[in-house]
Amino acid sequence: DAGITQSPRYKITETGRQVTLMCHQTWSHSYMFWYRQDLGHGLRLIYYSAAADITDKGEVPDGYVVSRSKTENFPLTLESATRSQTSVYFCASTSGGRNQPQHFGDGTRLSIL
Amino acid sequence: GNSVTQMEGPVTLSEEAFLTINCTYTATGYPSLFWYVQYPGEGLQLLLKATKADDKGSNKGFEATYRKETTSFHLEKGSVQVSDSAVYFCALPPDSSYKLIFGSGTRLLVRP
Repeated sequence: DAGITQSPRYKITETGRQVTLMCHQTWSHSYMFWYRQDLGHGLRLIYYSAAADITDKGEVPDGYVVSRSKTENFPLTLESATRSQTSVYFCASTSGGRNQPQHFGDGTRLSIL
Repeated sequence: GNSVTQMEGPVTLSEEAFLTINCTYTATGYPSLFWYVQYPGEGLQLLLKATKADDKGSNKGFEATYRKETTSFHLEKGSVQVSDSAVYFCALPPDSSYKLIFGSGTRLLVRP
């Protein structure tokens, strides 16, 4: 089915561990995004990508790493997880253009103990 | 740069009541404006959009009009249902890019 999928949906890990959140879209959209959603902070942009091999920092990039070797995939890695990174993470994509909306995955709920 | 402000929630209504969720914006030029909805446990979904001044976006009984003179894009629905309970986000591009700035979200709770 066409769409944008995130995995895992839920993840519990420990402080200091590396964890990777996956995002896959089937529309061949050029642009992809990672957000985190926290109570009191709304949605905050972590990283974004305009195309394969092109990524850039958003509002809150510290502690995160992204890559985009293929257009359809945009994994987000927490290299050494901290409790402050406990959040719900959303991936989104768009074809680009000022009138085009972003399409969101269902999110990954990440808890860091 | 561009910015968006929306009313704080939660908004609690009885079924069939009239809904208004306020959203005001500051922008250079006339960017597209969006309303997204987030149901419990799900990602954000586009609810409606307007691409130029005086445009009215509509979907699922919701409407919002792009008002240049008041820099507003208020979301309205004439008769809400319990199934409309969700968080609603107003959004616009921060500049001429493909990114979006989201408002803080307004939680709507509709009681039977």
